[in-house]
Amino acid sequence: DIQMTQSPPSLSASVGDRVTITCRASQNIAKYLNWYQQKPGKAPTLLIYSASTLQSGVPSRFSGSGSGTDFTLTINSLQPDDFATYFCQQCFSTLYTFGQGTKLEIK
Amino acid sequence: QLQLEESGPGVVTPSETLSLTCIVSGASVGSLHWSWIRQSPGRGLEWIGVLQSSGSPNYNPSLKGRASLSVDTSKNHFSLNLTSVTAADTAVYFCAAILGSGNYNWFDPWGQGTLVTVSS
Repeated sequence: DIQMTQSPPSLSASVGDRVTITCRASQNIAKYLNWYQQKPGKAPTLLIYSASTLQSGVPSRFSGSGSGTDFTLTINSLQPDDFATYFCQQCFSTLYTFGQGTKLEIK
Repeated sequence: QLQLEESGPGVVTPSETLSLTCIVSGASVGSLHWSWIRQSPGRGLEWIGVLQSSGSPNYNPSLKGRASLSVDTSKNHFSLNLTSVTAADTAVYFCAAILGSGNYNWFDPWGQGTLVTVSS
């Protein structure tokens, strides 16, 4: 299996801050990497696919970058609606795997 | 607009079979690929399996052959059966569509999720 490791596990930030979440794959996955947002009691929703392509309707303050084994999700100018848990997921292998999540909390 | 909704029992007895259905609206179930994913505090998000538009399934080997996926085109839904359940199978179960092309694919949208507790 391809292991996906996210850091940090949790993060405190304030409205207006810029935050970066990192996802590392246990092997080269090129750009086969997706990011999801999950709010309590809800299903995950797709933010970014293919490492850097913003899903339709997702605000432009979200961006993704990286390739190979190291990826980042950046949120510019945090809004109150952005406090949630974020997951990465690889699709290089059809044995799909997810990161353990990064919980973004209000400072 | 593509929408998914899971249904099934909220409690399953240990050693029995967990059966869930995902009702699809906004698309034909035979036109896309579909997946089941579960989430628990101890295991995080775990992919269970995929049902391709051809009807061919593929499963996570970690489930050791206990999972099976099927589709009912007349009812426009697809289903998950998980046999010989234990407490470790307690989780929120999500169904999801798989979109994209080639290996560039992603889960979108997801159903709202249904909590299944394995308990006697």
